[in-house]
Amino acid sequence: AQKVTQAQTEISVVEKEDVTLDCVYETRDTTYYLFWYKQPPSGELVFLIRRNSFDEQNEISGRYSWNFQKSTSSFNFTITASQVVDSAVYFCALSEAAGTASKLTFGTGTRLQVTL
Amino acid sequence: ETGVTQSPTHLIKTRGQQVTLRCSSQSGHNTVSWYQQALGQGPQFIFQYYREEENGRGNFPPRFSGLQFPNYSSELNVNALELDDSALYLCASSLGQGAYGANVLTFGAGSRLTVL
Repeated sequence: AQKVTQAQTEISVVEKEDVTLDCVYETRDTTYYLFWYKQPPSGELVFLIRRNSFDEQNEISGRYSWNFQKSTSSFNFTITASQVVDSAVYFCALSEAAGTASKLTFGTGTRLQVTL
Repeated sequence: ETGVTQSPTHLIKTRGQQVTLRCSSQSGHNTVSWYQQALGQGPQFIFQYYREEENGRGNFPPRFSGLQFPNYSSELNVNALELDDSALYLCASSLGQGAYGANVLTFGAGSRLTVL
């Protein structure tokens, strides 16, 4: 069975600080996809990034970067120079590559509070 | 391009009643999936519809059922409501093609159901 663990329940930072959100996953699949979604107070989940299990190249996209390490089953997400608008709940999610449906397994989320 | 819209946004039911939640998918998307998000938890996959048929289901009892219509909109029906059904119900649409696991889902803002 697939499992995603986000050990950080809540993080508070001051604006302009960098913050890293941790994600550890479990799967028996050799091919899979990892996602980060953001859930602002309005409720809808907003897609941030996707990675497939064969691509361990870490990238930076604007203020976002991610660190995918297959050896430790971790997919951490960093926001550089955080802003108040980044305040939200962030979810890490995992899906099978060969499944018949877009079935995401989510972690329990990390609530990020950015203050002035 | 319109996003995913859900109705109603909030509703209150009593135990044993039935409820129908509605979802209009994003323009151009042909696949709809439903997730249940209990308070403080990550979303859990209920089922997915593609071409008006259910093509994937999570660990939910048969009293959770759905429909997809020719215009790709969808309904989630829950019979014999229980207190534990109180949650935010999220609808997500995607363009179903190739590897489902890779699909990026576009979520609606959800319908918050309270069962008394």
